[in-house]
Amino acid sequence: DVKVTQSSRYLVKRTGEKVFLECVQDMDHENMFWYRQDPGLGLRLIYFSYDVKMKEKGDIPEGYSVSREKKERFSLILESASTNQTSMYLCASSLSRNSYTEAFFGQGTRLTVV
Amino acid sequence: QKEVEQNSGPLSVPEGAIASLNCTYSDRGSQSFFWYRQYSGKSPELIMFIYSNGDKEDGRFTAQLNKASQYVSLLIRDSQPSDSATYLCAVHASGGSYIPTFGRGTSLIVHP
Repeated sequence: DVKVTQSSRYLVKRTGEKVFLECVQDMDHENMFWYRQDPGLGLRLIYFSYDVKMKEKGDIPEGYSVSREKKERFSLILESASTNQTSMYLCASSLSRNSYTEAFFGQGTRLTVV
Repeated sequence: QKEVEQNSGPLSVPEGAIASLNCTYSDRGSQSFFWYRQYSGKSPELIMFIYSNGDKEDGRFTAQLNKASQYVSLLIRDSQPSDSATYLCAVHASGGSYIPTFGRGTSLIVHP
């Protein structure tokens, strides 16, 4: 079974802190994604990566950055956390760069910024 | 901006009924379509995918695709209380995109 593991289930951080959310997948998937999920807004894509050291902006990249130094690991960084970044963050991975590949999700990190 | 639209619901059906969940998309060239189920407090998991016009059946689930109308649906037959969840429609855009764009999800409640 594909496993996507996020480092924390719950996080509470203070405004202005630098926050790291980590995600690891164990199935040699090429693609990795970070989404945030908010009530009424659904899943919105923050950043994605299709290869090591490659990254592309999604729909809402402002205030975030990412790092992919190894194929299995994709990190989301909040440079200076703000209260409007309080959300559920979901990492996902998919096998290859074609249209017919499904996404596998981690368990999610619920981040609260106070 | 490519859009995927779903009625947020909640859609409430009695146990044993057919639940019909609908999704429309704006990118006419979209090639692949996925339905994910998300239980409260859990992450989404794939239940169906469909690439060609028509129906695709898997157990109690049927996905229907009509590319001319830019419409994809999910039917759940013999609905069970355990089907109560949010159902997310995801579309991969034209040009062979591997990036899923999600609708906001439809909340389904199956009551005994």
